This record gives sequence, C-alpha cells and structure tokens, in this order.
Amino acid sequence: DQQVKQNSPSLSVQEGRISILNCDYTNSMFDYFLWYKKYPAEGPTFLISISSIKDKNEDGRFTVFLNKSAKHLSLHIVPSQPGDSAVYFCAASASTGTSYGKLTFGQGTILTVHP
Amino acid sequence: SQTIHQWPATLVQPVGSPLSLECTVEGTSNPNLYWYRQAAGRGLQLLFYSVGIGQISSEVPQNLSASRPQDRQFILSSKKLLLSDSGFYLCASEQHSQKLFFGSGTQLSVL
Repeated sequence: DQQVKQNSPSLSVQEGRISILNCDYTNSMFDYFLWYKKYPAEGPTFLISISSIKDKNEDGRFTVFLNKSAKHLSLHIVPSQPGDSAVYFCAASASTGTSYGKLTFGQGTILTVHP
Repeated sequence: SQTIHQWPATLVQPVGSPLSLECTVEGTSNPNLYWYRQAAGRGLQLLFYSVGIGQISSEVPQNLSASRPQDRQFILSSKKLLLSDSGFYLCASEQHSQKLFFGSGTQLSVL
C-alpha cells in the first residue's frame, strides 16, 4: 500500500520557468511533510518541509504548498535552474513516539531543467 | 552539522553470501539511526531504526538484520543474500527532528 505517491515519474522544464512537483498521500495521521533532493550515487539531501498547521512554506526559490483536505502537496521551484536537475522525493511522517525519522517516501520524480 | 559515513559505495555479491554494511555518524551524539533501501523504480523504504545502543526495531520482515554496537555506529547484515536484496542502501541519522541526514549510500548488486 503506497501511502505517499508521486504520480509523475519525470518532469522536463525550461531554464527560468517554474517547476511544479506533486505528491499525494492517503494516511490522515501524517502531519509533517518534507521534500528531499537526490543526485545520482548520492544520498538525499533535505530541501524544505511543512507542518500540517501551515498551508505554505517558502525558502528562496522553493515553495511547498499543502492542501490537507485533498491530501496533496506540491513543490514549486521558481525560477528553475539546470543545477536543479535531480530526483525529488516527497516524504511524510506522523509525529508519534520518539523516532522522528520514520518517514514514508514517494517513488520520486526526476526533474530535468534544460538550458 | 552531522556527517554520515557509509561504505562501501558499491558492492557486488553472489547469492547466498553474507553481507555487512557499516555506517558511522559524526557531529552528533545519541542520534536516532535508520537504514533505508531504494529498490529499482521505487521510493525509499525504511528497513530498521535504532533509538539507542543495542535497540533495533524492524519495519518489514526480511532477510536482513541490523545492530548498533556503539552510539554512532549502525550495521546492516545478512547471513545469506537473496537476489531481492539488491538495491541502494542508505543510512540516515536524526536527533529529535524529522529532518534526516543521509549517507552517500551503498549500491548492492546480488548476482
């Protein structure tokens, strides 16, 4: 049962334009959401997160939007740069217990930004 | 900030052989440690986590085991590898935060 889904395996965008990566979840216990970026042969690195008490969080060129009623979140990258080309993973967690790092990940979306 | 060391970076092992992947953490103490695996075309799946020395929790039944002999050392093992154990293995650390720090990973191919 895939509790976090990224339905687009890949996305291609022109440099300078907006990249929008989408993520859907099914578990209503999830209350914290994160985006990770991964380059080939490297571990994922944290990009941005959002708590369920917010509907938007912004950090420079990156903005994450959360729609709790739709159980949907999205990552916007504006403007997109060739260095943004990577695999982007959406992840979710439920704030219970002491193991905060028990994240449920989506399958990932490969973003390619063309010069 | 935390640094996660994982080795080896790549590993090719025959079916039925043993496995030992090691992960060490620098820059923090008493972290929660995790082993994740990414199989081909899939997301990262949590395999094990540990909240302290000798404390291991398994998330999915499998052919693997984990141990934490020291505060900042986490080991993933198998007595006999299966083909289905192939994948990209990631060690991760966090300290009372949902922001995981990941190592660079080990690409395991079981042939």
